[in-house]
Amino acid sequence: DGGITQSPKYLFRKEGQNVTLSCEQNLNHDAMYWYRQDPGQGLRLIYYSQIVNDFQKGDIAEGYSVSREKKESFPLTVTSAQKNPTAFYLCASSRSQGWNTGELFFGEGSRLTVL
Amino acid sequence: GENVEQHPSTLSVQEGDSAVIKCTYSDSASNYFPWYKQELGKGPQLIIDIRSNVGEKKDQRIAVTLNKTAKHFSLHITETQPEDSAVYFCAASGGYSTLTFGKGTMLLVSP
Repeated sequence: DGGITQSPKYLFRKEGQNVTLSCEQNLNHDAMYWYRQDPGQGLRLIYYSQIVNDFQKGDIAEGYSVSREKKESFPLTVTSAQKNPTAFYLCASSRSQGWNTGELFFGEGSRLTVL
Repeated sequence: GENVEQHPSTLSVQEGDSAVIKCTYSDSASNYFPWYKQELGKGPQLIIDIRSNVGEKKDQRIAVTLNKTAKHFSLHITETQPEDSAVYFCAASGGYSTLTFGKGTMLLVSP
């Protein structure tokens, strides 16, 4: 069954701690994305990657970091520098045949709460 | 960059009624306009999309219209059912840009 798997589904962290959210896809997609979702704010792009070992900042990259060492994996680290990290995080992927030709396939999300 | 405005933020309808959600975009270079549906606790899923060379597209009970001159596009759901209750997002992109999403519309269909 092809798809996007995010883990963990729920995560609690103390202030000042870094946390890494996992995202794995078996769709053989080249492009992967991380979005942040806050109530009433829609989906805001954090980072995206078109190819292994390359990634670009999105609209709200400050306080976050990513890596793309394998095609299937695109982990997101929420660092202690992120001022307001409590949010719902969504990972997505798409075929990379031009940005506007690919459907985004989303995972089920990870809800991060900072205590 | 692109800016997408979406209205209304919430929409309540009775089962069987129609629902319309409207979006405007700012970048005249945008040429791809998808709509995503997000059910509670899940990730969004594409339900329909339209490209700038088409004015309207239908898929069973859902349709999308695009007015490039006015830079707005709309989602129409006819004969609404309780399972249509969800958050709907519009989005826009052009060229090699990433999608810019609207802030979402929470649709509630009452039996």
